[in-house]
Amino acid sequence: GNSVTQMEGPVTLSEEAFLTINCTYTATGYPSLFWYVQYPGEGLQLLLKATKADDKGSNKGFEATYRKETTSFHLEKGSVQVSDSAVYFCALSPRPSGSARQLTFGSGTQLTVLP
Amino acid sequence: NAGVTQTPKFQVLKTGQSMTLQCAQDMNHNSMYWYRQDPGMGLRLIYYSASEGTTDKGEVPNGYNVSRLNKREFSLRLESAAPSQTSVYFCASTPNNDRRQYFGAGTRLSVL
Repeated sequence: GNSVTQMEGPVTLSEEAFLTINCTYTATGYPSLFWYVQYPGEGLQLLLKATKADDKGSNKGFEATYRKETTSFHLEKGSVQVSDSAVYFCALSPRPSGSARQLTFGSGTQLTVLP
Repeated sequence: NAGVTQTPKFQVLKTGQSMTLQCAQDMNHNSMYWYRQDPGMGLRLIYYSASEGTTDKGEVPNGYNVSRLNKREFSLRLESAAPSQTSVYFCASTPNNDRRQYFGAGTRLSVL
C-alpha cells in the first residue's frame, strides 16, 4: 500500500536557521506529492506540491523537489522565521487514484522557531 | 469565500451519546472527506465521498456513519460515542481537476 514517512519532531530552530524536514514515500506508479502546513488551532493548508519527477514545488520561501530515484520529497527553507512555527505534513496522492483522489499523510513534524 | 465550514468547533460528549458533525463547502467540489487527527499519527481517513450520492470507507470507519446530503454537505455521525473517538476531526474537499484538498478548521471532540 501507500505510505509516507516523515522525520520525527519536534524540531526547534533559531530564527534565520536553515530548515530541512525529511519525507520519503512508498507508492506504486507516479504519485503527486504535497506539503501541508497546520498553524495552531487551524486546519491544514497546502504549502506546495509537485506532480512529477524532478518537479520543484515552492511557496513562501519553502521548496521541495520530487526525487523519484530516492522516493523523497524533503522540505527546505533557507532562513526560517518565528511565524513558520507550525506542524508540517507530507502527503501523497496516488495515480491512478480513481475518482476520490485520496491523500495519504505522514505523521507530521512540529516546528518551533525561537526569536 | 467561506471554503469548507465545519460545525461545531468544540464538543464534549459522554460515552454512549450520539452526535453529528456537519461539513459544508461552497466551492462546487465533487469529492469530500472526513479525517481524524490524533497525536503522532497524522491524519487518517474515516470516510470519503467521490460524488453526490456515493460514500466509501476509509482507513478507520468503525464507529462512524456518513451522509452526503447533497453536493455541498457531508456529515459524520457518531451513533454511540466512545472515549477512543476523542480526536480532532477535519472535513476536506477537492475539485475534479485537482488533487489539492481544502480543509475546514476542524472540530475538537472529547468523549468522557
